[in-house]
Amino acid sequence: EPEVTQTPSHQVTQMGQEVILRCVPISNHLYFYWYRQILGQKVEFLVSFYNNEISEKSEIFDDQFSVERPDGSNFTLKIRSTKLEDSAMYFCASLATASEAFFGQGTRLTVV
Amino acid sequence: AQSVTQLDSQVPVFEEAPVELRCNYSSSVSVYLFWYVQYPNQGLQLLLKYLSGSTLVESINGFEAEFNKSQTSFHLRKPSVHISDTAEYFCAVRRGTGGFKTIFGAGTRLFVKA
Repeated sequence: EPEVTQTPSHQVTQMGQEVILRCVPISNHLYFYWYRQILGQKVEFLVSFYNNEISEKSEIFDDQFSVERPDGSNFTLKIRSTKLEDSAMYFCASLATASEAFFGQGTRLTVV
Repeated sequence: AQSVTQLDSQVPVFEEAPVELRCNYSSSVSVYLFWYVQYPNQGLQLLLKYLSGSTLVESINGFEAEFNKSQTSFHLRKPSVHISDTAEYFCAVRRGTGGFKTIFGAGTRLFVKA
């Protein structure tokens, strides 16, 4: 069964450092997403990406965040200068059209 | 805009007892509805979905949910729970058209006791 793959599973970074979270969506999907879940809290939408551009973003997704699909398979989330409050589980998801979003296993980001 | 309300943050229940996890949504357009499950320290797994057709949908492990348009609800039920069902359950909604963003409820922690 096809799946969304995220790497790394856990990343520890120092405050102020740049971090890139990587995702490989399901190959024939067209819509890509990043979500965030702070420990013990709800899953929050960050950004959606379609046709090589951002289609929607939340207020959380400020200038410190960016997304990119550098080739035909990877989808990345970059945080330019991490803050302590960026510590969370980050989920990548992809979607065909009239179906459910498929989620990766997540990357746990710890900012120290 | 869509929103999802999960009315219970925690639901403790004894093993083999029935359970209902409540979910209400609001939307001005047609939506698709989902339940996702998250086991401790794991990712999100789709439990079941309503896209169209029969309003009663079932999962392979005994859960079911019923889409009720008039009450804007999509409650999750299981007639007899197991210890292994202990997890966080998220109700989610997505527009049928447009950006297809999925919006999650706050989650309900189901805790099954022996």
